[in-house]
Amino acid sequence: AQSVTQPDIHITVSEGASLELRCNYSYGATPYLFWYVQSPGQGLQLLLKYFSGDTLVQGIKGFEAEFKRSQSSFNLRKPSVHWSDAAEYFCAVGGRKYSGGGADGLTFGKGTHLIIQP
Amino acid sequence: EAGVTQFPSHSVIEKGQTVTLRCDPISGHDNLYWYRRVMGKEIKFLLHFVKESKQDESGMPNNRFLAERTGGTYSTLKVQPAELEDSGVYFCASGRDPREQYFGPGTRLTVT
Repeated sequence: AQSVTQPDIHITVSEGASLELRCNYSYGATPYLFWYVQSPGQGLQLLLKYFSGDTLVQGIKGFEAEFKRSQSSFNLRKPSVHWSDAAEYFCAVGGRKYSGGGADGLTFGKGTHLIIQP
Repeated sequence: EAGVTQFPSHSVIEKGQTVTLRCDPISGHDNLYWYRRVMGKEIKFLLHFVKESKQDESGMPNNRFLAERTGGTYSTLKVQPAELEDSGVYFCASGRDPREQYFGPGTRLTVT
């Protein structure tokens, strides 16, 4: 069965500092990988996704993530965080379940709360 | 383009009562998903519709949960009778491509 581990429940970063959120997955083949963000009172917003090809993926709001097959990781990075980045971040994996390649239901990590210090 | 909408945003019911949650997907999205997040736990997949057909309902916890998608448009998720452990946030997502899922704001269900 597929699983996702986000080892950090909370991370505190100073505004302007760099950020890396960790995500490790367990899956038998190359999965589809996603990062979502949830700001207070909002739904989940897709930051970026990886399906195949270039292992460094660019997303919205200045975020990027790198797929490392050898480490089963898909860590999220941002070079300089802003106070508005304070939110909960979720890594998710989807399997290529159907012949059409659909991801079907996603498996999520438990989330990482990002706290920004002024 | 309007996003995924969910109604109500918050529902408080007593144990044993029935609650129906509604999800309106983005127009034209054939794929519709329901997820749930119980407090302190990860977001869990419940089921997946393609148009009006249930593609995968392996995540539905038990037969107290019934999901429908009449006409392949909006979907409802009914919990009958509700139990305390059903409390949580219920998310709906839709997508034109199964690999892209756009989430709604969620419905917070509190069972007392």
